[in-house]
Amino acid sequence: EVQLVESGGGLVQPGGSLRLSCAASGFTFSSSWMHWVRQAPGKGLVWVSRINSDGSSTSYADSVKGRFTISRDNAKSTLYLQMNSLRAEDTAVYYCARTYYYDRSGHCFDYWGQGTLVTVSS
Amino acid sequence: QSALTQPASVSGSPGQSITISCTGTSSDVGGYNYVSWYQQHPGKAPQLMIYEVSNRPSGISNRFSGSKSGNTASLTISGLQAEDEADYYCSSYTSSSTLQFGGGTKLTVL
Repeated sequence: EVQLVESGGGLVQPGGSLRLSCAASGFTFSSSWMHWVRQAPGKGLVWVSRINSDGSSTSYADSVKGRFTISRDNAKSTLYLQMNSLRAEDTAVYYCARTYYYDRSGHCFDYWGQGTLVTVSS
Repeated sequence: QSALTQPASVSGSPGQSITISCTGTSSDVGGYNYVSWYQQHPGKAPQLMIYEVSNRPSGISNRFSGSKSGNTASLTISGLQAEDEADYYCSSYTSSSTLQFGGGTKLTVL
């Protein structure tokens, strides 16, 4: 069974940092592109970042570029999101998501974690 | 990077059909056949319903169908059921090699 379990969320002050983790199991993690998607309370989904299967290629939404860094450890089957210079508008539930094998864009998701809440507030 | 445009809400009675639109530009929806649709129930993670404009993943009911014309994609749900009441989001691959979501549509089954 495919499982994605996020952790690392919490309350952080503006300007602070946080590192999210997503532990994957039930599939060959090292073969899958992975993404982070966030959802502010009561709002819609927003794509955050993508990393390819071996970690050599990444992309980011303009709103987080230069502040967030996506990475992965295939030996540990774990995806990360390092978030620096956090702002109030980064407050959201952060989901990790696996790319759907049959979609050729690499930007379509068949499995999502349960999400971890990040709150940026003083 | 502007969100794709979806109606805020749609409604329908059980058994009826509804259509949710998703309007973008030639740099996203109109430029690629990489539009997906997700269903999200309150407090739950999204579920993939349609990929590559009109393809259904295994296990998704054939009551759900997708299409695209120009810069606008559409999700149609036929034979509306109470369990279809949820938020629906479109997404599209973009010319910047990123992903753009729509603002979401709340479907109410009357």
